[in-house]
Amino acid sequence: GENVEQHPSTLSVQEGDSAVIKCTYSDSASNYFPWYKQELGKGPQLIIDIRSNVGEKKDQRIAVTLNKTAKHFSLHITETQPEDSAVYFCAASNSNYQLIWGAGTKLIIKP
Amino acid sequence: NAGVTQTPKFQVLKTGQSMTLQCAQDMNHEYMSWYRQDPGMGLRLIHYSVGAGITDQGEVPNGYNVSRSTTEDFPLRLLSAAPSQTSVYFCASSYSDSLAYEQYFGPGTRLTVT
Repeated sequence: GENVEQHPSTLSVQEGDSAVIKCTYSDSASNYFPWYKQELGKGPQLIIDIRSNVGEKKDQRIAVTLNKTAKHFSLHITETQPEDSAVYFCAASNSNYQLIWGAGTKLIIKP
Repeated sequence: NAGVTQTPKFQVLKTGQSMTLQCAQDMNHEYMSWYRQDPGMGLRLIHYSVGAGITDQGEVPNGYNVSRSTTEDFPLRLLSAAPSQTSVYFCASSYSDSLAYEQYFGPGTRLTVT
């Protein structure tokens, strides 16, 4: 079945630097790729998404890129701030329009 | 709007006990889902509903039942709790025409089965 791999599992960056989280997926029929942010004790919250007909999407300090040929997509956060510290999940839609989730990346912003 | 609410926030069960995790949303969303979150595994879909009276199984449905009598409520029942069901459970809803898109999550229920 569909599989989504996410790397790294933990990422520590200095405040103000950039952070990049990468995911690969296996199902070539996947056409929707969201990123969710989960703060401690809360449910995941959608922060950005991209569809397969687009290669890149940007929203202020957050951007997502998609390479359909290589079956990978990435989350880029620039000028990181303390409030960016959280667990980030990538996901990919399967043929049943359900989401298959990555295992998550714990992002730590060092002051 | 309260969004998606879940009760209880924490629960401890003994093996073999049953219980119901409550989920409600006030956004008039048709699509609702239940996920479990385990360390190092992301979220896995347990059951979902595309509208009142309609439910279906997700990736890991065994040991769980659901019903959807109203648009607002989507309870998850554990029939006979097992230690393998120790997890954090999230309910989500979506207004779009697909389970995948733009899901709104509740705060979660942390369940421990001893």
